[in-house]
Amino acid sequence: SQTIHQWPATLVQPVGSPLSLECTVEGTSNPNLYWYRQAAGRGLQLLFYSIGIDQISSEVPQNLSASRPQDRQFILSSKKLLLSDSGFYLCAWTRTGNTEAFFGQGTRLTVV
Amino acid sequence: GQQVMQIPQYQHVQEGEDFTTYCNSSTTLSNIQWYKQRPGGHPVFLIQLVKSGEVKKQKRLTFQFGEAKKNSSLHITATQTTDVGTYFCAAGGSNYKLTFGKGTLLTVNP
Repeated sequence: SQTIHQWPATLVQPVGSPLSLECTVEGTSNPNLYWYRQAAGRGLQLLFYSIGIDQISSEVPQNLSASRPQDRQFILSSKKLLLSDSGFYLCAWTRTGNTEAFFGQGTRLTVV
Repeated sequence: GQQVMQIPQYQHVQEGEDFTTYCNSSTTLSNIQWYKQRPGGHPVFLIQLVKSGEVKKQKRLTFQFGEAKKNSSLHITATQTTDVGTYFCAAGGSNYKLTFGKGTLLTVNP
């Protein structure tokens, strides 16, 4: 069966510090991968999605970046965090040709 | 880009009352999905609708896809406290981009 792992679950980081969130999928190959951000009590904002290794589409210009160094690994990064980067970050995957999404447990990021 | 508008943003009901959330798009959708997110949790897939006019049921939940494939609804009959959470619709695109509505937060008073 397929599983998705996302870590860490919670993170408190000072303004200006770097960020690296990692997501890995097991039990499938060539998944489509997604990073979403959810502000408190708000909807899901699509940040990045990837249909293959080193193929990243950015939806919202900001100080975040994403990379996919391996088929089932998706990384969200920032060089310098802003207060506005606080939120609930969710990684998700879908099978090629089927857009039913499976989400990780999420990372709750607080920038202080 | 593709956008889906979801209403209402919030809905509070008494246990036993019905609940409906609506999702609308200005463009024709290839498919629509519905997810539920419990407080503090992550979204969980409920169902996908693909065909024009499609209606699917899951126990007390009824999902509809409009004839023009531009709108969809989720109806819950006789809500229970376990139905509490945020319900999202999501539109799938041909490029595998998955765009979510802003969600409807349902609270149920026992």
